[in-house]
Amino acid sequence: DAKTTQPTSMDCAEGRAANLPCNHSTISGNEYVYWYRQIHSQGPQYIIHGLKNNETNEMASLIITEDRKSSTLILPHATLRDTAVYYCIGSNFNKFYFGSGTKLNVKP
Amino acid sequence: GAVVSQHPSRVICKSGTSVKIECRSLDFQATTMFWYRQFPKQSLMLMATSNEGSKATYEQGVEKDKFLINHASLTLSTLTVTSAHPEDSSFYICSAREDRGSYGYTFGSGTRLTVV
Repeated sequence: DAKTTQPTSMDCAEGRAANLPCNHSTISGNEYVYWYRQIHSQGPQYIIHGLKNNETNEMASLIITEDRKSSTLILPHATLRDTAVYYCIGSNFNKFYFGSGTKLNVKP
Repeated sequence: GAVVSQHPSRVICKSGTSVKIECRSLDFQATTMFWYRQFPKQSLMLMATSNEGSKATYEQGVEKDKFLINHASLTLSTLTVTSAHPEDSSFYICSAREDRGSYGYTFGSGTRLTVV
């Protein structure tokens, strides 16, 4: 599985877009980029995943660079409930190894 | 969507006793499930892969005789922490992937184990 690198923490104002970067320079061609988040003392929650193309769902958008070495998760209008640790994972439907993630603090 | 139920959500046990944690896929079949452990302020650490009808495979450094895994059906995997010690106190989380799904994995809500 691809090793991922994320900033330790980020702040975002409520109502603004939150852009969370992830570097996955060692990702292989058949590995998807997955994003999960974990709110304190809960299990991780699936957000979105993609292979090459940008993806959007009701929760977020995922922008993957053309060389697939990095990606950005976009929460278009962050709310206080989006405060969580966000994990970027590279996997080909095999095991998920979690990195240290980004603690997103959404502030009023 | 896919739901994974984990039970119990919290458990306190005495040192030396064993504790069983259940992980159920409620509305889908899962040949493979995974068990993670998470210490405070740390990330999730993969412990083992639970395979229906066969032996679990453990990550390096995880004691298979201490963390017994049984995956007897396509919807249930159990993790038994044997001879628990205070250092086993942690947050244990399971995950499962729908066999015919294209998503990643659905995670349970976790079990907080405290060994006293």
